[in-house]
Amino acid sequence: EPEVTQTPSHQVTQMGQEVILRCVPISNHLYFYWYRQILGQKVEFLVSFYNNEISEKSEIFDDQFSVERPDGSNFTLKIRSTKLEDSAMYFCASGDFWRSTEQFFGPGTRLTVL
Amino acid sequence: GENVEQHPSTLSVQEGDSAVIKCTYSDSASNYFPWYKQELGKRPQLIIDIRSNVGEKKDQRIAVTLNKTAKHFSLHITETQPEDSAVYFCAARMGGGADGLTFGKGTHLIIQP
Repeated sequence: EPEVTQTPSHQVTQMGQEVILRCVPISNHLYFYWYRQILGQKVEFLVSFYNNEISEKSEIFDDQFSVERPDGSNFTLKIRSTKLEDSAMYFCASGDFWRSTEQFFGPGTRLTVL
Repeated sequence: GENVEQHPSTLSVQEGDSAVIKCTYSDSASNYFPWYKQELGKRPQLIIDIRSNVGEKKDQRIAVTLNKTAKHFSLHITETQPEDSAVYFCAARMGGGADGLTFGKGTHLIIQP
């Protein structure tokens, strides 16, 4: 069964550095999402992406964040200048709403900002 | 925006007993309500979902009920087994596929042998 994949599984960075988290959504999916989960807390929506543009974004998704679909398979989340509070698990998800309303989650990237 | 409240935060039940987790949502425009199971260190996985035009949905030992008037929905797990131990999240979504999910804070379900 196809799955969403994410790389890297764990990223350690210094405060103020830029990071790019990568995702490969399921191949025939058209909707893409990023969520984050701070350790021990709930999953929080960041942004959704459809038809090569942002569809919806939360208050968390400020100017430090950006998303891109640089080619036909990858979907990236960039954090321009990381802060300590950006430390979290970042999940990518994708969906194909022609057949199912389900959002399929990737395994996550654990981001640690030192 | 939407707000989802989930209770209890921890639920401990004896193996074989039933477990019920409850969620309320704030925005009557929400139309899709999935439940995710998350095992430690793993991705959230959908276990069941329900749309706002349906009052109840069942899949083997798992069922979800929705009360649109009261704006609450519940997950019911019967005949619990040790592998049901995990954190369960409810969520709600307004609009269509481009909209994000708003999650509850999660329930840590512990199945006592």
